[in-house]
Amino acid sequence: EVQLVESGGDLVQPGGSLRLSCAASGFTFSSYWMSWVRQAPGKGPEWVANINEDGSERHYVDSVKGRFTISRDNAKNSLYLQMDSLRAEDTAVYYCVRDPSGSGSYHNNWGQGTLVIVSS
Amino acid sequence: DIQMTQSPSTLSASIGDRVTITCRASQSISSWLAWYQQKPGKAPKVLIYKASSLESGVPSRFSGSGSGTEFTLTISSLQPDDLATYYCQLYSIYPYTFGQGTKLEIK
Repeated sequence: EVQLVESGGDLVQPGGSLRLSCAASGFTFSSYWMSWVRQAPGKGPEWVANINEDGSERHYVDSVKGRFTISRDNAKNSLYLQMDSLRAEDTAVYYCVRDPSGSGSYHNNWGQGTLVIVSS
Repeated sequence: DIQMTQSPSTLSASIGDRVTITCRASQSISSWLAWYQQKPGKAPKVLIYKASSLESGVPSRFSGSGSGTEFTLTISSLQPDDLATYYCQLYSIYPYTFGQGTKLEIK
């Protein structure tokens, strides 16, 4: 069974940093593109970033470019999101998701999410 | 960026009704569209991908159609378990974009 477990969410001040982690199990992690999707309170989901199987290709939504970095460690079956220069509008539940169809894929497995609150 | 617009925003229907939700793209996206169901407090769950392909394990009362700029999600016979918010999503063209959602209420 595919399992994705996020951690690292917290309350952080504007301008601060946070690193989210996602532990993957139940599938060959190194064979899949992975994404982060977030959802602000009461809003729809927003795709944030994705990364290819070996970490050599990454894409971001414009609102996080230059502030967020997606990475992975295939030896540890883990996905990460380094978030710097955080803003109030980054407040959201952040989901780790698996992309089953390679580059340009929908998302077929989601974690339970981890909550990030950016507030003073 | 391509915009995805869903209608209606809220839909009230009775058990057994046929329900249709529409998603329009601001420019052609071929068939790069997925539909998700989200229940309160839960992560979204994919129902349909590539506009009309049913994800494994999803009940056959769900179906998707369309291509280019107009897409529909149809529930052939509404069940109590279908109470949820439904989102369409453009993928394969960056940035991937979700619609604003359709909240389905049971009469």
